[in-house]
Amino acid sequence: DAKTTQPNSMESNEEEPVHLPCNHSTISGTDYIHWYRQLPSQGPEYVIHGLTSNVNNRMASLAIAEDRKSSTLILHRATLRDAAVYYCILRDIYNQGGKLIFGQGTELSVKP
Amino acid sequence: NAGVMQNPRHLVRRRGQEARLRCSPMKGHSHVYWYRQLPEEGLKFMVYLQKENIIDESGMPKERFSAEFPKEGPSILRIQQVVRGDSAAYFCASSPQGDWETQYFGPGTRLLVL
Repeated sequence: DAKTTQPNSMESNEEEPVHLPCNHSTISGTDYIHWYRQLPSQGPEYVIHGLTSNVNNRMASLAIAEDRKSSTLILHRATLRDAAVYYCILRDIYNQGGKLIFGQGTELSVKP
Repeated sequence: NAGVMQNPRHLVRRRGQEARLRCSPMKGHSHVYWYRQLPEEGLKFMVYLQKENIIDESGMPKERFSAEFPKEGPSILRIQQVVRGDSAAYFCASSPQGDWETQYFGPGTRLLVL
C-alpha cells in the first residue's frame, strides 16, 4: 500500500468546519482512500472512503483531487467529540480483506 | 448488534508470564485482525485471520506471539513469556465476508508488563 503524508497536528474551533489534508502522490489507480479516526483511549473508527469522486456521509465529506494525489477530509461543524487522531490510509482494491497500514495521522484538537 | 468485544480491557502481567487476549468479532463477521499500539507510537498490523485459518501474519513477532480464530469461540492473541516491551494497547478488528472495505475495531486491551 502506498504512503500518505499528513500534518502532525491541527487546531479547530468548535462549530467551525475543519479541513484535514492528506497527500498521496504515489497513489495507484486501484488504491481507495480511507479515513479512520481514533478518539482518546478508544479503538479506531471508520470515517469514510472513496476512489475518485467526492463522497459524503453523516460523519464527514471526502474531497479527492482530480489527479488523486491528495484528498481532504471535511468535518462540517467540529464538536469537542471530534478531537481525535485522524488517519488517511490507502488500500488497494485488490487487497481485499487485508491489513490497514496506519501512519502517524493528524491529531485534531477542538477548542470550545 | 453488539460491536467488537475485547477482554480483558486491562491486563497486568509480570515478566515471564503468559498473556491471553480475547476478541469476539461482530455477529456474522468472519474476518479478524489484530493490531498493536506501543506507547506514543502508531498502530501496527499484526495478524489477519479467518475462521480456523491464518491469512496474513506478516506483522507478528517471530517468537512468543501466536494467534488463533477457532471455528467456535473468540479469537485469541497469546503472548508467551511477556517482556516489558510487550506493554501496549492491542486492538482487534473484524469485517464481514464480502465487505472488505470497512474494519470495525474493539475498545482494545491495555497490557502492562511489570
